Amino acid sequence: QKEVEQNSGPLSVPEGAIASLNCTYSDRGSQSFFWYRQYSGKSPELIMSIYSNGDKEDGRFTAQLNKASQYVSLLIRDSQPSDSATYLCAVNAFYGGSQGNLIFGKGTKLSVKP
Amino acid sequence: EAQVTQNPRYLITVTGKKLTVTCSQNMNHEYMSWYRQDPGLGLRQIYYSMNVEVTDKGDVPEGYKVSRKEKRNFPLILESPSPNQTSLYFCASSFNLMGNQPQHFGDGTRLSIL
Repeated sequence: QKEVEQNSGPLSVPEGAIASLNCTYSDRGSQSFFWYRQYSGKSPELIMSIYSNGDKEDGRFTAQLNKASQYVSLLIRDSQPSDSATYLCAVNAFYGGSQGNLIFGKGTKLSVKP
Repeated sequence: EAQVTQNPRYLITVTGKKLTVTCSQNMNHEYMSWYRQDPGLGLRQIYYSMNVEVTDKGDVPEGYKVSRKEKRNFPLILESPSPNQTSLYFCASSFNLMGNQPQHFGDGTRLSIL
């Protein structure tokens, strides 16, 4: 069974703090990992993608991948109220499916308080 | 403007009446995918297509059909809709799933099957 697990939250952080979002996955052969942001009533939008172990930074966002632990995280520095949204972790399935099979976690709801 | 267009945006219909949700992208993307999003279950992949005439099942394909006769279009067909297919549906496309290629999502189609 291919699974992607996230804490549902809500995760509440004060403005300016670091928000840490975590995700674990079950398919050890997965190659591609994505973080999407979804505002209420809107479609998901890609924030970060990561393919290699380690950290990848883009502005206030840092994605971290540890394939040995099957763990991927997203850090949001200097959190802003506009970051309040649901964050979806997505992983491509490899074993048991082609690389086009994308599995999403159920999402973590982040609330940034002014 | 680069976009993924879904139609209709909203539809209320009855059990057993065949319906098609269209999806069209103007970015010459190879990869297209359909998802449904349900409260508590997150975003789940229904079908995806890696290129023209190449389609494969996602995690919840039962009750759905797709076709990819042209690169730009990827319609979702419900031959005999049932109430458990009431959901919010998203179509998405990207050049592929590798590299930092974002999936562009449509605005969603909210289907109610009575």
